[in-house]
Amino acid sequence: NAGVTQTPKFRVLKTGQSMTLLCAQDMNHEYMYWYRQDPGMGLRLIHYSVGEGTTAKGEVPDGYNVSRLKKQNFLLGLESAAPSQTSVYFCASSYLRTTANTGELFFGEGSRLTVL
Amino acid sequence: AQSVAQPEDQVNVAEGNPLTVKCTYSVSGNPYLFWYVQYPNRGLQFLLKYITGDNLVKGSYGFEAEFNKSQTSFHLKKPSALVSDSALYFCAAPNQAGTALIFGKGTTLSVSS
Repeated sequence: NAGVTQTPKFRVLKTGQSMTLLCAQDMNHEYMYWYRQDPGMGLRLIHYSVGEGTTAKGEVPDGYNVSRLKKQNFLLGLESAAPSQTSVYFCASSYLRTTANTGELFFGEGSRLTVL
Repeated sequence: AQSVAQPEDQVNVAEGNPLTVKCTYSVSGNPYLFWYVQYPNRGLQFLLKYITGDNLVKGSYGFEAEFNKSQTSFHLKKPSALVSDSALYFCAAPNQAGTALIFGKGTTLSVSS
């Protein structure tokens, strides 16, 4: 059982380049999330999705776009990368809302992105 | 707005001693609180949660957490620390809409042998 898989695990970009991070989950979860982790700042929510075809903004959505065309996949795109987007990105999924029936989040291993 | 705070960036304990990692919260309505652990170069893993009921919650790997409503705290505890407990620990709570978790900044636990 793979759980939550993120690709790629590492990437180096130049300022202005674009890229897409792919998150795939095989647990039939409804909810999917993209977080970024920066030293001293914990995890901050970028975008999330409460089901196939839906997306919503989190705390720090600027500079990112997302799509959830299939239930099992959640894509995070950077159209024009900036050095401030250097971070470790984590995808997570959950079966239920966090405040309903105590659904917990399952995280991927992370994708380390460096923007030069 | 919902928020959680972890007042300590780092906690150092000796193996075999009890450990406490602190978390305070500010949430509207009934508090749902979580602890997650992150080992180096890994994703976060769920440890335990408080939803309602007993103020002492038991979780994975011998960890427990004490919910204190009057002090708005949810401290993570373990009676006897292991070197393998060394990791980054996050407290979390649902956002206002209940659609995602918001996390504290994390506390690095270092257990020395």
